[in-house]
Amino acid sequence: AQSVTQPDIHITVSEGASLELRCNYSYGATPYLFWYVQSPGQGLQLLLKYFSGDTLVQGIKGFEAEFKRSQSSFNLRKPSVHWSDAAEYFCAVARWGNTGKLIFGQGTTLQVKP
Amino acid sequence: DTAVSQTPKYLVTQMGNDKSIKCEQNLGHDTMYWYKQDSKKFLKIMFSYNNKELIINETVPNRFSPKSPDKAHLNLHINSLELGDSAVYFCASSQDRSSGQVRDTEAFFGQGTRLTVV
Repeated sequence: AQSVTQPDIHITVSEGASLELRCNYSYGATPYLFWYVQSPGQGLQLLLKYFSGDTLVQGIKGFEAEFKRSQSSFNLRKPSVHWSDAAEYFCAVARWGNTGKLIFGQGTTLQVKP
Repeated sequence: DTAVSQTPKYLVTQMGNDKSIKCEQNLGHDTMYWYKQDSKKFLKIMFSYNNKELIINETVPNRFSPKSPDKAHLNLHINSLELGDSAVYFCASSQDRSSGQVRDTEAFFGQGTRLTVV
């Protein structure tokens, strides 16, 4: 069955520290991969996506993610976290030709300490 | 200009009532979706419409009925509301190669509608 796992339910980092949010997926073929962010009371905003090509993708707000096929992972990273990055982060997969039919992970809540 | 807009943003209603949530997208996408986010923040797809035709109907009670008057609109009507229907409902749209387009695009989401059934 297709699934997405985000092993960390809650992460707390200090402002200025680096961040890595983990995402593992189970899928029959190479999926499309996404990271969305949900700020409190807000909708879902796309941070970055992987469709094909370079496995290191750059996104908005200084985020990047690396697709590792051998590990079935798509981890999100940021070198220096800002207080405004505190939010819920969702990893998701979809297949070619149906990018809106997303399978989401459980989400990771990021808290940023001053 | 908001790409995907939902109304209302908040909806509080009593059990047994019927309510609707409206969604509009101005991106020219062919496919629209409804997602439900439960109290644990888990997101799951409910429905998908492509060019006004239902193409995905996940295991959802038939009290939920999507309606698409045109490809820019996808409304969600819920009959006989129950306490367990309390959630945040998100509308989304995308454009896929399956629709004959050159490339796939990511899904764009609305701001969500927080439904509370009391």
